[in-house]
Amino acid sequence: DGGITQSPKYLFRKEGQNVTLSCEQNLNHDAMYWYRQDPGQGLRLIYYSQIVNDFQKGDIAEGYSVSREKKESFPLTVTSAQKNPTAFYLCASRVAQDDQPQHFGDGTRLSIL
Amino acid sequence: KQEVTQIPAALSVPEGENLVLNCSFTDSAIYNLQWFRQDPGKGLTSLLLIQSSQREQTSGRLNASLDKSSGRSTLYIAASQPGDSATYLCAVSSNAGNMLTFGGGTRLMVKP
Repeated sequence: DGGITQSPKYLFRKEGQNVTLSCEQNLNHDAMYWYRQDPGQGLRLIYYSQIVNDFQKGDIAEGYSVSREKKESFPLTVTSAQKNPTAFYLCASRVAQDDQPQHFGDGTRLSIL
Repeated sequence: KQEVTQIPAALSVPEGENLVLNCSFTDSAIYNLQWFRQDPGKGLTSLLLIQSSQREQTSGRLNASLDKSSGRSTLYIAASQPGDSATYLCAVSSNAGNMLTFGGGTRLMVKP
């Protein structure tokens, strides 16, 4: 089955620790996105990538980093500089055509220990 | 900066009722508008995408309309069912990179 896989489903971070969230897609999509969702709120864009080896900051990139070494993979690192990392993180991908929607993974819930 | 607002934030209706969810946006220069469904603790499922040149899109019991000049979209759900209970999110894309700006969502509960 084609889709987007995010792992782990739940993740805990200690003070001063960097953690990496995985996002893999087998849909052959060009563009990939990372969003953050806080309770009762909509999604906010962290980073996005339209092609391999290229990515741009979204609205709330501070304290996060990404890489796009392969078309299928777009990992997100939550660094110790992100002081309020507790949130639900969603990865999405899409074909780079105007009439195509984004497809989402099932998310990773990150909490502070 | 684009801002997207959804009203109401929560809605509870009896099964079988027709209902309308509202979405408004501040900048009418959009590429497209999308409606998503989100079940608790899950990702988003795309329901409908309306291009900026279109007025509406339909899928089964769902109909979404777009009035770009007034900055409004509505999602109409006909003959609601308990399985429709979820949060519905509206998002607009203001550029070719399809970077989305989301509203805060409407949490819908359909009671049997």
